[in-house]
Amino acid sequence: QVQLQASGPGLVKPAETLSLTCSVSGSSISRGYFWGWIRQPPGQGLEWVGSVRPDGATLSGASLYNSSLASRLVISIDRSKNQFSLRLTSVTAADTAVYYCVRGRHEYAARPVDFSVWGLGTMVSVSS
Amino acid sequence: QSVLTQSPSSSGTPGQRVTISCSGSRSNIGSNIVIWYQHLPGMAPKVVIYNNDQRPSGVPDRFSGSKSGTSASLAISGLQPDDEGDYYCSAWDATLYGPVFGGGTKLTVL
Repeated sequence: QVQLQASGPGLVKPAETLSLTCSVSGSSISRGYFWGWIRQPPGQGLEWVGSVRPDGATLSGASLYNSSLASRLVISIDRSKNQFSLRLTSVTAADTAVYYCVRGRHEYAARPVDFSVWGLGTMVSVSS
Repeated sequence: QSVLTQSPSSSGTPGQRVTISCSGSRSNIGSNIVIWYQHLPGMAPKVVIYNNDQRPSGVPDRFSGSKSGTSASLAISGLQPDDEGDYYCSAWDATLYGPVFGGGTKLTVL
């Protein structure tokens, strides 16, 4: 059974960098799934942050990011640790949210359409 | 503000049938499949409907999905107290080039 566990600081100062790691168990991260992040600001709905497919063999490239975050966002893979990470720079209060790490439903999908494995989520607050 | 539109809340009594609706546009629901996620308190979200109307294994047949044009619906029959939680619709958006979500519907079992 595939399990995802997010970790990282619960508090980040404005203008600094938010860094989260998702540890994967029960599956190799090198398989052809999309791995990524979805967030939920307090009292609001879900928002896709971005996804990455380790094998890179997709129609649209190896990484897909929410266009509203792309200039500040990097999602990377660490095959040796079976983990993937999120790095979001220049954060503001609008980045305060529960961050979920997720895996796409279909292996070798061309796009991260849906997500069949979710971690429990980690709350990140941006405040001075 | 979410790209897909859902009513903020819905309610029903045990045994009843409830329907949750989701409205979008041609760039998302109108041209791509719809997925429904269930988010119960203290748990990770999970898929209850994919490909508009398909249920993953383990999801009871009390849950059903449908799509027409730029709208979709999730129906839950034989409502149970354990169904109480938040439900989100989602679809790929061809213009934004990413998956988009509704704002969620909070289902209360009275």
